[in-house]
Amino acid sequence: SYEVTQPLSVSVALGQTARITCGGYNIGDKNVHWYQQKPGQAPVLVIFRDSNRPSGIPERFSGSNSGNTATLIISGAQGGDETDYYCQLWDSSTVIFGGGTKLTVL
Amino acid sequence: QVQLVESGGGLVKPGGSLRLSCAASGFTFSDYYMSWIRRAPGKGLEWISDINFGGTTINYADSVKGRFTMSRDNAKNSLYLQMNSLRVEDTAVYYCARDPERTDDYGDSWFDYWGQGTLVTVSS
Repeated sequence: SYEVTQPLSVSVALGQTARITCGGYNIGDKNVHWYQQKPGQAPVLVIFRDSNRPSGIPERFSGSNSGNTATLIISGAQGGDETDYYCQLWDSSTVIFGGGTKLTVL
Repeated sequence: QVQLVESGGGLVKPGGSLRLSCAASGFTFSDYYMSWIRRAPGKGLEWISDINFGGTTINYADSVKGRFTMSRDNAKNSLYLQMNSLRVEDTAVYYCARDPERTDDYGDSWFDYWGQGTLVTVSS
């Protein structure tokens, strides 16, 4: 089965750019989606199909996907961005989530 | 506005059963694939199952195959998850989610709306 790998944690200074990666074999050939989940809340879609932003999601959130790595990019990180992020893709009739990355804003 | 409201969670002993429901409103329920997704304490999101528009095609994660049964009632705008032979490791918050992309002919899934979740605790 297809496997994806996320770093357990990423740290970023307030106002700087955070990059959260999602690694997988030729993941650039797949559509990757990203979710933000704050404690006690349901996940929120922040990026779909690699780089598309749903309405209501700030422009600070963007995404890219090429080769073996998909990346969620958070520009001008704010304190409210400090939480868990998950990548997700579809493969062989199965939905696959990455293990999640905790973003810390310093 | 789109709303998904789960119910039916609770405390159950190992080996027991539970039936979760998800009430949908604010959209044409029968036009969407739907999924159940869970998050166990201290762990990440795990997809459990999805169901096509008419309820005729259902896919399951290996971790629940043979124990869980997903269904839908489009007349009632409702989604269900029958969970049997529950294990301690099934303890999690269970979410229903809407998939705006998946069709019977196209393979990709992502989730634009999620319910608030219902907690299932399996413990003796």
